[in-house]
Amino acid sequence: AQKITQTQPGMFVQEKEAVTLDCTYDTSDQSYGLFWYKQPSSGEMIFLIYQGSYDEQNATEGRYSLNFQKARKSANLVISASQLGDSAMYFCAMRQTGANNLFFGTGTRLTVIP
Amino acid sequence: ETGVTQSPTHLIKTRGQQVTLRCSSQSGHNTVSWYQQALGQGPQFIFQYYREEENGRGNFPPRFSGLQFPNYSSELNVNALELDDSALYLCASSHRDYTEAFFGQGTRLTVV
Repeated sequence: AQKITQTQPGMFVQEKEAVTLDCTYDTSDQSYGLFWYKQPSSGEMIFLIYQGSYDEQNATEGRYSLNFQKARKSANLVISASQLGDSAMYFCAMRQTGANNLFFGTGTRLTVIP
Repeated sequence: ETGVTQSPTHLIKTRGQQVTLRCSSQSGHNTVSWYQQALGQGPQFIFQYYREEENGRGNFPPRFSGLQFPNYSSELNVNALELDDSALYLCASSHRDYTEAFFGQGTRLTVV
């Protein structure tokens, strides 16, 4: 069975500061991928960053980085230099290798304060 | 902006009716996956279509069905609508392994 836990229903961050959104996961598989998506109020899920379970380096994409701690089963998203446009829901998701679906957490609502 | 378009963006249906939702796919992608997102929840997997065949289904009853066309666009059909079917329905266009997975903007369905 797989499980994604996002324990922060809501987070606030000051503009231009960094913020970490937490994600822990549970799977018995050795091969899997971890994803982060942003969902603005418009509804579209926007892909942010991907980390494979065998990747040795933490993934980075612009202002987004993924703090991957495999032993702790944790895949936290770090957003640097927050912008007002970063205000949205953020979802952590996992795909077990060979599976045909993404399994999502319940999300964290991030609000960036001017 | 992705090339994945869903239609309609909003609709209201009455309990017991049937609905069809549509999703285009990104050029070069052969896989479309459908998700249901209830208010305040993460998306839940309904099913996936790969090269016009159903390629896996989540925990949804048979009244949720789908199609994929030769151009890889897809439809989601829901029969005998129930109040609990009210949700945002998202489709994702991707390669089979979810690389380059792009979501549409969703269809918000309200069942009254």
